[in-house]
Amino acid sequence: QITLKESGPTLVKPTQTLTLTCTFSGFSLSTSGVGVGWIRQPPGKALEWLALIYWNDGKRYSPPLQSRLAVTKDTSKNQVVLTMTNMDPVDTATYSCAHLSIGWSFDYWGQGTLVTVSS
Amino acid sequence: QSALTQPRSVSGSPGQSVTISCTGTSSDVGGYNYVSWYQQHPGKAPKLMIYDVSERPSGVPDRFSGSKSGNTASLTISGLQAEDEADYYCSSYAGTYTHWVFGGGTKLTVL
Repeated sequence: QITLKESGPTLVKPTQTLTLTCTFSGFSLSTSGVGVGWIRQPPGKALEWLALIYWNDGKRYSPPLQSRLAVTKDTSKNQVVLTMTNMDPVDTATYSCAHLSIGWSFDYWGQGTLVTVSS
Repeated sequence: QSALTQPRSVSGSPGQSVTISCTGTSSDVGGYNYVSWYQQHPGKAPKLMIYDVSERPSGVPDRFSGSKSGNTASLTISGLQAEDEADYYCSSYAGTYTHWVFGGGTKLTVL
């Protein structure tokens, strides 16, 4: 059974860097074809894809946010880490990690973690 | 503003059918057969309902079906049930630069 869970701060100040960890089980990020993505959702708003990391350490980023994002993996710990620099109140959202399925869809999601950006 | 356009809301009575549209461009919906649909109940994580335009993951009722014509994909829910009331989001793979795009979401109300 595949599960994912996000962890990190619930409150960050403007200009700070956000670091979120996705800890997963039920699959390995060393298996060919596997990927883990990050998606966020501002309160009451739509989903927005942020980043994805593949089993071979390939990384993809949302073009508008690319300069602020970085994603890394620790295969031995079954973890993926997302960092986002220069946080702004508009970045207030629930941040979720998800398992990339065949067919370029996300078939398993974490519960998400609400991050508020405020001074 | 989301990359894919969905109606903000749709509604239907129990037992009826509803269709939710998702309009993109030839760079996403029209260019790839990688449209997916997600159901999200309040306070819950999204659940994959359809992938590859019309494929259902195991466990998803066959009341849910997907299709695509040109740059517009559609999700049809037949035999509406109260538990179908939720937000629905479409998504599409959009190539090696943009990668993934989502729609703005559609609130389904079961009357």
